[in-house]
Amino acid sequence: RKEVEQDPGPFNVPEGATVAFNCTYSNSASQSFFWYRQDCRKEPKLLMSVYSSGNEDGRFTAQLNRASQYISLLIRDSKLSDSATYLCVVNMGTGGFKTIFGAGTRLFVKA
Amino acid sequence: GAVVSQHPSWVICKSGTSVKIECRSLDFQATTMFWYRQFPKQSLMLMATSNEGSKATYEQGVEKDKFLINHASLTLSTLTVTSAHPEDSSFYICSALPAQVQAFFGQGTRLTVV
Repeated sequence: RKEVEQDPGPFNVPEGATVAFNCTYSNSASQSFFWYRQDCRKEPKLLMSVYSSGNEDGRFTAQLNRASQYISLLIRDSKLSDSATYLCVVNMGTGGFKTIFGAGTRLFVKA
Repeated sequence: GAVVSQHPSWVICKSGTSVKIECRSLDFQATTMFWYRQFPKQSLMLMATSNEGSKATYEQGVEKDKFLINHASLTLSTLTVTSAHPEDSSFYICSALPAQVQAFFGQGTRLTVV
């Protein structure tokens, strides 16, 4: 089983749609969680951190469920500019601290 | 946010030659940096963890003699791809975590071996 698994993509949605991405992680001792966005041929950029209490930033809402080892990202009112790959990222502190990426979910928002 | 600078941003080299990629933390000290590789339409795969003043830790399947990592100072880690071959062509990205929280990435290096 992969350490971090994400929904297979791609997601093709019209502008204005609401889209949800899911992610699960295998290591229960994982310490911190993030969603990153990666545009084609560019480095990943932090979108938002993920907390058990939930985290909202404008049209984006992230949620963490530690008991289920599950992370989600909700994008409301999708814009064309939201088209990108969204990466679920987990920091693991056991056996040496390291950052593990999910495979990414490609989102296409169309007019 | 913190700044991580990677150089060069792209390089083309002949098969059999070596290429060095630098990763610098510009406004913080990084005892640990990470090197990733990304093939087209795939996710970032962790290659190795670079530790300042000690040997790097390589992920399973990554050849340590081919991908030499040196972390000689708190702000610089280098990755050298030795005897590069076309199958080594990829996007290489480094990252560092100030205070071990969120990762900041270098701009990435696109390596093409011809």
